[in-house]
Amino acid sequence: NAGVTQTPKFQVLKTGQSMTLQCAQDMNHEYMSWYRQDPGMGLRLIHYSVGAGITDQGEVPNGYNVSRSTTEDFPLRLLSAAPSQTSVYFCASSSNGGIGQPQHFGDGTRLSIL
Amino acid sequence: AQSVTQLDSHVSVSEGTPVLLRCNYSSSYSPSLFWYVQHPNKGLQLLLKYTSAATLVKGINGFEAEFKKSETSFHLTKPSAHMSDAAEYFCVVSVGNNDMRFGAGTRLTVKP
Repeated sequence: NAGVTQTPKFQVLKTGQSMTLQCAQDMNHEYMSWYRQDPGMGLRLIHYSVGAGITDQGEVPNGYNVSRSTTEDFPLRLLSAAPSQTSVYFCASSSNGGIGQPQHFGDGTRLSIL
Repeated sequence: AQSVTQLDSHVSVSEGTPVLLRCNYSSSYSPSLFWYVQHPNKGLQLLLKYTSAATLVKGINGFEAEFKKSETSFHLTKPSAHMSDAAEYFCVVSVGNNDMRFGAGTRLTVKP
């Protein structure tokens, strides 16, 4: 059972570069979300989606874009990377009921911006 | 507004002794409360969830948590720690469909 799959696991970027973090789930979950995890701060919600074609902002959306063209995939885009975006990024999904339901997490993408 | 405070950033126990990880929350409405565990280089895994059905919630791996509304607390306990319990633990409060707040985490160390 794959669950939530994130790629890549590690990435190093230079300031100003763009990249897309991939997230796919095979549980037919409607709700998907992206978080960033920084030392001493827990996880903070970046963007979320309640279904294909629907996205919305979370607590810290600036500098990130998302789209949801299929139920399975929810990519996160950094258009112009900044050192402040160095973090560990987690994708999560849950069944109907959204964020109040238990979340299934991927193993994370560790991103460094130089 | 809602928030979560985990009262200890680091807890160290000996194997076989009880575990107590403390969490206080603030919420304007009846919250859903969760505890998640994160092992090194892994994503978060749900330990247990409170949704008002019962104040004492049992989770996986022998963990349980008690919801105390009067104290706005949701502390996580386990009677006997195992080496495999060493990990980071997060208390989470959720209200509605788009507001989920994580505590800063408590790192649990288990000594042989």
